Amino acid sequence: GAVVSQHPSWVICKSGTSVKIECRSLDFQATTMFWYRQFPKQSLMLMATSNEGSKATYEQGVEKDKFLINHASLTLSTLTVTSAHPEDSSFYICSATPGQGAPGYTFGSGTRLTVV
Amino acid sequence: AQSVAQPEDQVNVAEGNPLTVKCTYSVSGNPYLFWYVQYPNRGLQFLLKYITGDNLVKGSYGFEAEFNKSQTSFHLKKPSALVSDSALYFCAVSELDDTGTASKLTFGTGTRLQVTL
Repeated sequence: GAVVSQHPSWVICKSGTSVKIECRSLDFQATTMFWYRQFPKQSLMLMATSNEGSKATYEQGVEKDKFLINHASLTLSTLTVTSAHPEDSSFYICSATPGQGAPGYTFGSGTRLTVV
Repeated sequence: AQSVAQPEDQVNVAEGNPLTVKCTYSVSGNPYLFWYVQYPNRGLQFLLKYITGDNLVKGSYGFEAEFNKSQTSFHLKKPSALVSDSALYFCAVSELDDTGTASKLTFGTGTRLQVTL
């Protein structure tokens, strides 16, 4: 079945530094990838939708200059949290879909980001 | 705009008993409905989906869900619960846009299932 690899699975960084999270579709071409953020004991909040070769579409309230998303190929999307602050600490999950036709979404295993 | 409601924050059931986790949805077109399970500090695991066809959908680990268009519901069920089923369950909905591309998934708030001996 479809597999999405996300790494790192956890990362600790200092305030003010940037962190990059990768999301790869291993056995299919992902025309669309989604990035979610999940706070403890809460649901997944969609941050942005990225389509290969075009700019990401950010949800209302998500700072696009802070959460940089790149979808340069059909198998890789990256989320970079720039100038991280403790309030950015969260669980980030990516999802990928081939796009066309009946939807099928495959999720990565998530990245636990802790900013100290 | 599409939305999903999971009215129960937590469902408690004894092992061996049947379980139901409720979900209702709202979309403007034809819904595509999903159930996912999440274990602590892990991503989402796919359980089942309804796209079209039979209203009763069978999925992984013995779970099933019934699509009810008139009640706009997609409740998750299992005839006999296991302690290992204890986890966080999310219902989600999407739909195809005019170009035939899958829209974003919208999640419910999640229901914590607790199965006890």
